[in-house]
Amino acid sequence: SQQGEEDPQALSIQEGENATMNCSYKTSINNLQWYRQNSGRGLVHLILIRSNEREKHSGRLRVTLDTSKKSSSLLITASRAADTASYFCATDTGANSKLTFGKGITLSVRP
Amino acid sequence: DAGVIQSPRHEVTEMGQEVTLRCKPISGHNSLFWYRQTMMRGLELLIYFNNNVPIDDSGMPEDRFSAKMPNASFSTLKIQPSEPRDSAVYFCASSLSNFQPQHFGDGTRLSIL
Repeated sequence: SQQGEEDPQALSIQEGENATMNCSYKTSINNLQWYRQNSGRGLVHLILIRSNEREKHSGRLRVTLDTSKKSSSLLITASRAADTASYFCATDTGANSKLTFGKGITLSVRP
Repeated sequence: DAGVIQSPRHEVTEMGQEVTLRCKPISGHNSLFWYRQTMMRGLELLIYFNNNVPIDDSGMPEDRFSAKMPNASFSTLKIQPSEPRDSAVYFCASSLSNFQPQHFGDGTRLSIL
């Protein structure tokens, strides 16, 4: 069953704009992770936020977590054409240490 | 540093044939995961190993699928006999331990005719 669901399914923006992607989940989590997948490649881990954290930064990435709403957002600031990819949230519920991935958001950044 | 290495990158074979996918995890990583990705179902966890021992194979579709990890540096996913609905991209990932970020290989694109 799908634990994390991303929103929107697709996003197209101009280079230099900010991109905001959302993820909602259903059950309690230990942590939530965001991954990026370029076309024809494997997923690449971007950032992990623990259930007791509310915000985390890494370069141009900012992730927030609201456990009361069971939601997370990924903000990419000053987007670049190279940010074009699919982005996935994945939740770790602690049950057998498995990650459950959403179906992903396709981000297109126009030069 | 070498990442997760999967082979082959592409496989095209006829229905009924045996297919073997291979994975070399990152050295020192204790957890290994096999996933399948399709447009319809997204990324599905098939099976994962901790310290070479299968922990959860509840995602393995049926008895036609089997996975082994004979040592810390090698794992295989076998499909026998293969069917057209098995066509997908199969990913292997490894991590240092439970709860750690996963490192993915570039996948095997499998087409069953």
